Amino acid sequence: SQQGEEDPQALSIQEGENATMNCSYKTSINNLQWYRQNSGRGLVHLILIRSNEREKHSGRLRVTLDTSKKSSSLLITASRAADTASYFCATAPPFYTGANSKLTFGKGITLSVRP
Amino acid sequence: DAGVIQSPRHEVTEMGQEVTLRCKPISGHNSLFWYRQTMMRGLELLIYFNNNVPIDDSGMPEDRFSAKMPNASFSTLKIQPSEPRDSAVYFCASRDRANTGELFFGEGSRLTVL
Repeated sequence: SQQGEEDPQALSIQEGENATMNCSYKTSINNLQWYRQNSGRGLVHLILIRSNEREKHSGRLRVTLDTSKKSSSLLITASRAADTASYFCATAPPFYTGANSKLTFGKGITLSVRP
Repeated sequence: DAGVIQSPRHEVTEMGQEVTLRCKPISGHNSLFWYRQTMMRGLELLIYFNNNVPIDDSGMPEDRFSAKMPNASFSTLKIQPSEPRDSAVYFCASRDRANTGELFFGEGSRLTVL
């Protein structure tokens, strides 16, 4: 079964607006990652937040993690048409090593940014 | 760096035929993953290798699927015989031992089994 569940499943916003996407998970994690997938392309890593971190920034991206609620959010500020893509959260198990390297992905959120 | 390279990008075959998908990970990466993506089930981990050794193949659907990694720079995923329900996009990804967890994905192989 999927570990990460993203919400909403689809989001449509106007260029310039902020986009907030949520991810909930069920079991303990070592870290949580967000990926982007443009249509017909592979996934690209955006940002990683460790279980002992609460917030992280990267450019226009802001990720929060609440381990007590087992949830994370990805905020994209000042969205652009080029941000149109699917976004996935992925969770890594507590003892994330070379021999225990499973990342479990959610089903993704489709973000459409209207010009 | 060229990134993870997968081939073929697209394959259309008939039911019963053998399909071989290929992957070249990023040089120096020691973990390699095969994922399958469908609309119904999303991204599923099929198998992953660490230092060329299969670690977990519990995601491989059935005996028709097999994967090998004969050396650090090459892996194959084989389906024999193929069935229409195998139609999906198959992704290969690799990871660096020194990295905290980021996966680098290839562009995928879109398989259609008629």
